[in-house]
Amino acid sequence: SQQGEEDPQALSIQEGENATMNCSYKTSINNLQWYRQNSGRGLVHLILIRSNEREKHSGRLRVTLDTSKKSSSLLITASRAADTASYFCATGPKGGGNKLTFGTGTQLKVEL
Amino acid sequence: NAGVTQTPKFQVLKTGQSMTLQCAQDMNHEYMSWYRQDPGMGLRLIHYSVGAGITDQGEVPNGYNVSRSTTEDFPLRLLSAAPSQTSVYFCASSYGQGGQETQYFGPGTRLLVL
Repeated sequence: SQQGEEDPQALSIQEGENATMNCSYKTSINNLQWYRQNSGRGLVHLILIRSNEREKHSGRLRVTLDTSKKSSSLLITASRAADTASYFCATGPKGGGNKLTFGTGTQLKVEL
Repeated sequence: NAGVTQTPKFQVLKTGQSMTLQCAQDMNHEYMSWYRQDPGMGLRLIHYSVGAGITDQGEVPNGYNVSRSTTEDFPLRLLSAAPSQTSVYFCASSYGQGGQETQYFGPGTRLLVL
């Protein structure tokens, strides 16, 4: 079963706008990660946030984690056409063994 | 540094045929894993390994075998392909034995089983 569920499933915005996507999960976690997948390619790691962290930044990316609500958000600021991709959250469940569980992803389209 | 490589890129099989999907990494990562990706399902873990000689099952292991004789290679074997195994397969590796740490993915193998 899927641990993480992204919302929305699809998002279309104009270049320069901000994009926000959310991830909700069911059980306690050690960490949460966000990955990007361009069409027909492998996944690329974006950012990892641990359960004792609340916010993390990397370039135009900002990730927040609210363990009380079991949710995370990924904000991409000043989006570009090159940001068009699918974005997945992945959780490392506490007591879930040595593995990650991926969500079903958000498809982001950034239009010129 | 090639990272994680996968071969072949694309394969068509007939039901009942066998094949091996190859995966190799040159980062000296202990942890390696195989996922399958189906539309609307995200990625699902098939098998994983925390080091040479050690493998374990993931979420969807049925119909697949793995072995890990070296740190670099982690092949995935389909013994008798079924149409339900039509999917995109990704291999990934991670530093140390950290299955919950940053994963480095290969480009994928698209498999069609007729």
